[in-house]
Amino acid sequence: AQTVTQSQPEMSVQEAETVTLSCTYDTSENNYYLFWYKQPPSRQMILVIRQEAYKQQNATENRFSVNFQKAAKSFSLKISDSQLGDTAMYFCAFMNDYGGATNKLIFGTGTLLAVQP
Amino acid sequence: DSGVTQTPKHLITATGQRVTLRCSPRSGDLSVYWYQQSLDQGLQFLIQYYNGEERAKGNILERFSAQQFPDLHSELNLSSLELGDSALYFCASSVTPRGQEQYFGPGTRLTVT
Repeated sequence: AQTVTQSQPEMSVQEAETVTLSCTYDTSENNYYLFWYKQPPSRQMILVIRQEAYKQQNATENRFSVNFQKAAKSFSLKISDSQLGDTAMYFCAFMNDYGGATNKLIFGTGTLLAVQP
Repeated sequence: DSGVTQTPKHLITATGQRVTLRCSPRSGDLSVYWYQQSLDQGLQFLIQYYNGEERAKGNILERFSAQQFPDLHSELNLSSLELGDSALYFCASSVTPRGQEQYFGPGTRLTVT
């Protein structure tokens, strides 16, 4: 069974600095997606970034970028120029890509990020 | 705002009762997913519907059931409620059944007393 591990329960970063959140996963499949979701205090789940496993290029979305290491099964999130609004729980998630069949998200346990002024 | 709506926002009920949670997907999305977020289990996939048909089941208890209606809204029914069912229940939607881009609603906070 696929598993997602986030080994950092909590992290803290100063405003305007850079922080990296770690995620590892376990799968024997070759085709899959990886995601980072943000859950602020409002509890809304917000998709931050997505990476397709077949793409070698790391995904970026403005201040958010990932370091995808397929062989190592590692998928870290880098947040540059951290802002107070980035304070949230961050979940790493995995999804197999079975083509036309359904695919479910498998989540890690989350990393609580606090951005300090 | 993701475009996915869920009602009610909060629900407080007693053990043994039955409740219904409602979800309206984003306009144009045919696929609806239900997830449960609890302190002890984390975020877990419960069930998926695509265009009215059940597509996949996850860790959904037999006391729980769901359906998707012709207008594509979905309902999650929870019966014989136990204290351990207290959780945040999310609905997510996507255009395709593959669900590679799921957008989450604001969730329904269920408290069982």
